[in-house]
Amino acid sequence: KNQVEQSPQSLIILEGKNCTLQCNYTVSPFSNLRWYKQDTGRGPVSLTIMTFSENTKSNGRYTATLDADTKQSSLHITASQLSDSASYICVVSSDSWGKLQFGAGTQVVVTP
Amino acid sequence: ETGVTQTPRHLVMGMTNKKSLKCEQHLGHNAMYWYKQSAKKPLELMFVYNFKEQTENNSVPSRFSPECPNSSHLFLHLHTLQPEDSALYLCASSQDGTASNSPLHFGNGTRLTVT
Repeated sequence: KNQVEQSPQSLIILEGKNCTLQCNYTVSPFSNLRWYKQDTGRGPVSLTIMTFSENTKSNGRYTATLDADTKQSSLHITASQLSDSASYICVVSSDSWGKLQFGAGTQVVVTP
Repeated sequence: ETGVTQTPRHLVMGMTNKKSLKCEQHLGHNAMYWYKQSAKKPLELMFVYNFKEQTENNSVPSRFSPECPNSSHLFLHLHTLQPEDSALYLCASSQDGTASNSPLHFGNGTRLTVT
């Protein structure tokens, strides 16, 4: 079973609306949690990195939250734009050697 | 541009062919990685190089052979592949190993199709 589970698997939202993506993990011990955006036909691009002591971090219209106690993270997209259509990948760094565990991603489609 | 360049972008090869994927990073990073991305599956780590030394081989079949001649270049040599090896192969680099908080910088990948 994957140690990083993302939900939903996909979602469609109207341009201008907000949405929230979820990431639950069982990885332990925890080092940091990362969110990446992957456009179709491109490699993933880093959005945020959060360590144990950080519970929120923003990058423009993207805001990530982390609850290390419940091992949950969310990525909130505000006022979505067509360019937000992409796959969003949650990645957890698992131990002192920094081994990364990847989620399968949430595919977001923003429609006009 | 991401600072990590992969060539070719697309590759179709038969099961008896030999080909190589190339990756070059212009970021002055010390660590480089090969990942395999199959549809609707998490990225799978294949190989890690730190300061040109291979530090991880994630039980990858020997038909995949990496080469890292220097900190800026990484190759993946392919031979006698199987159709199930068809996937997007991503190269990445980071300033340090993934134990640090430095993000991975990915190339745009090589879409490989094995016929």
